[in-house]
Amino acid sequence: LAKTTQPISMDSYEGQEVNITCSHNNIATNDYITWYQQFPSQGPRFIIQGYKTKVTNEVASLFIPADRKSSTLSLPRVSLSDTAVYYCLVGSSGGFKTIFGAGTRLFVKA
Amino acid sequence: GAVVSQHPSRVICKSGTSVKIECRSLDFQATTMFWYRQFPKQSLMLMATSNEGSKATYEQGVEKDKFLINHASLTLSTLTVTSAHPEDSSFYICSARRQGDQYSYEQYFGPGTRLTVT
Repeated sequence: LAKTTQPISMDSYEGQEVNITCSHNNIATNDYITWYQQFPSQGPRFIIQGYKTKVTNEVASLFIPADRKSSTLSLPRVSLSDTAVYYCLVGSSGGFKTIFGAGTRLFVKA
Repeated sequence: GAVVSQHPSRVICKSGTSVKIECRSLDFQATTMFWYRQFPKQSLMLMATSNEGSKATYEQGVEKDKFLINHASLTLSTLTVTSAHPEDSSFYICSARRQGDQYSYEQYFGPGTRLTVT
């Protein structure tokens, strides 16, 4: 399983765009990149998943460069309720294990 | 769709007793379920992977005789913490992969169970 590296924490203000970058230098050909959000005392919640280039859904965008050794989760116009821990995971559909890294603790200020 | 529930949400037990935590996929069939534990301010740590009808695969360092996992059906997995001790106090989270999600790495997580051992 590819190891991921993310910033430990980030601060932002309401209304700003937040970009969280994850490094995964050992990503394998079959690996997907998935991001989860976790609030205190809750289970993680799926945000977005991608394989290459750019993926966008109603809550976020995921940018993946051609070499796929990193990815960037982009949260447009964050609000206080986006304060949470964000985890980047890398793995293949055929691999059943999910190993969580340390995650990025995002704190959104008013 | 793809909802996972856990029961109970909170449990307090005395040292030496056993506690069972249930994980259910409410609207899908789960071929694989995972159990995690999470200590305050830390990341999720995978404890074991269970497939319906077969024995669970435990991660290194997780005592299989202490954390009994049963995946009796495609919608239910249980984790039993046997002879619980205060150091077993933690947040236990289960997740499930949906049967048929061949090309997705998405897992559906339960809301977690807070176990406190006194």
